[in-house]
Amino acid sequence: KQEVTQIPAALSVPEGENLVLNCSFTDSAIYNLQWFRQDPGKGLTSLLLIQSSQREQTSGRLNASLDKSSGRSTLYIAASQPGDSATYLCAVRPTSGTYKYIFGTGTRLKVLA
Amino acid sequence: NAGVTQTPKFRILKIGQSMTLQCTQDMNHNYMYWYRQDPGMGLKLIYYSVGAGITDKGEVPNGYNVSRSTTEDFPLRLELAAPSQTSVYFCASSYSHTGTNYGYTFGSGTRLTVV
Repeated sequence: KQEVTQIPAALSVPEGENLVLNCSFTDSAIYNLQWFRQDPGKGLTSLLLIQSSQREQTSGRLNASLDKSSGRSTLYIAASQPGDSATYLCAVRPTSGTYKYIFGTGTRLKVLA
Repeated sequence: NAGVTQTPKFRILKIGQSMTLQCTQDMNHNYMYWYRQDPGMGLKLIYYSVGAGITDKGEVPNGYNVSRSTTEDFPLRLELAAPSQTSVYFCASSYSHTGTNYGYTFGSGTRLTVV
């Protein structure tokens, strides 16, 4: 059974720091992996989608990498800002079974001004 | 382009009442999903649909029903509401075609409280 883990559960950093959020999954048979941002009381906003054949994706200050064989993905945030404060979730889409994503429980990030 | 639209945004139900959470998407996505999110528990799949007329259960389907009569709409029905159904409900959609799988687009959620 596919399981997705995100460590740490919470993280506080001073403004301007570069930081890395981690996501690990137990089964490497995935179609893709997606990173989301969720602001308090809001829905999920897609940040980056990495297909299984890709190693990384970039969008602005965000860079997501995927190492399928080791079951790991990282989300790198450069020059963090207070506006980056949110919960970040990763989700994988397995190749077997049904068409759903499996979600981690998220990392709650706070960037201090 | 509205994306995925959920209504209502908030609702308070009494135990035993019923209601329908509405979800509609205008992206011609073939797959649609309903998740619930409880504090610290992550997202749990309730039901999903791979196309009009086709639905299937997810991890936590008990107490819910769905239908998919059109590509655009995927309503979630709560029968006999219970306090355990207090949660935030998210609808999502995605598109898959001949081996290419695109990511999810989420609605903004419905916050439901059962008292």
